[in-house]
Amino acid sequence: DAGVTQSPTHLIKTRGQQVTLRCSPISGHKSVSWYQQVLGQGPQFIFQYYEKEERGRGNFPDRFSARQFPNYSSELNVNALLLGDSALYLCASSLGGDIFRGVGYEQYFGPGTRLTVT
Amino acid sequence: AQTVTQSQPEMSVQEAETVTLSCTYDTSESDYYLFWYKQPPSRQMILVIRQEAYKQQNATENRFSVNFQKAAKSFSLKISDSQLGDAAMYFCAYRSAKGQGAQKLVFGQGTRLTINP
Repeated sequence: DAGVTQSPTHLIKTRGQQVTLRCSPISGHKSVSWYQQVLGQGPQFIFQYYEKEERGRGNFPDRFSARQFPNYSSELNVNALLLGDSALYLCASSLGGDIFRGVGYEQYFGPGTRLTVT
Repeated sequence: AQTVTQSQPEMSVQEAETVTLSCTYDTSESDYYLFWYKQPPSRQMILVIRQEAYKQQNATENRFSVNFQKAAKSFSLKISDSQLGDAAMYFCAYRSAKGQGAQKLVFGQGTRLTINP
């Protein structure tokens, strides 16, 4: 089975522009999470979606938004880009569900999208 | 809020030797999960090992094992017989077992591991 896929691999944007990042989870996984990893730091949680509903949100401004589609793929949108938004954006999928015990809680990460804002 | 601290920004070890990476965390919860992830230059975050807080037995996965000290809130990773392919950034991560915190992983700052041939 294919793992988590993300597109594009990398992109360069200018301050003030908008960007959309895409993620396809592992087949059968219904939950998608987004993380931002600034160079030299650990990933920071942005959003989690399960069954097309937002289940969790990290400490990020409203410029960041996301959605999940019926096929469980997801998009992360960032408006009014700032230089500080330059980072590796990671998507992770899991089986999800209301009960996160057992085999459902492992998060499997994609290769990330490297965003550079100039 | 939970925090995870990795106090070793960089570590190096000779090939075939053993190395231990440190991690401490802060939480008021009693039920949670701890993880070690590996991030090689390819950027893909790979799950190395996980530990359930309610289990007293330390988790092991082949050459990887943990020393989980719940009272001390310590969770170290031991890599035995180090191989060149083990070179990567290693991240310690925490996840609550229930509630809002169950939605996310909280990561430490990472430790860069170098393997010397």
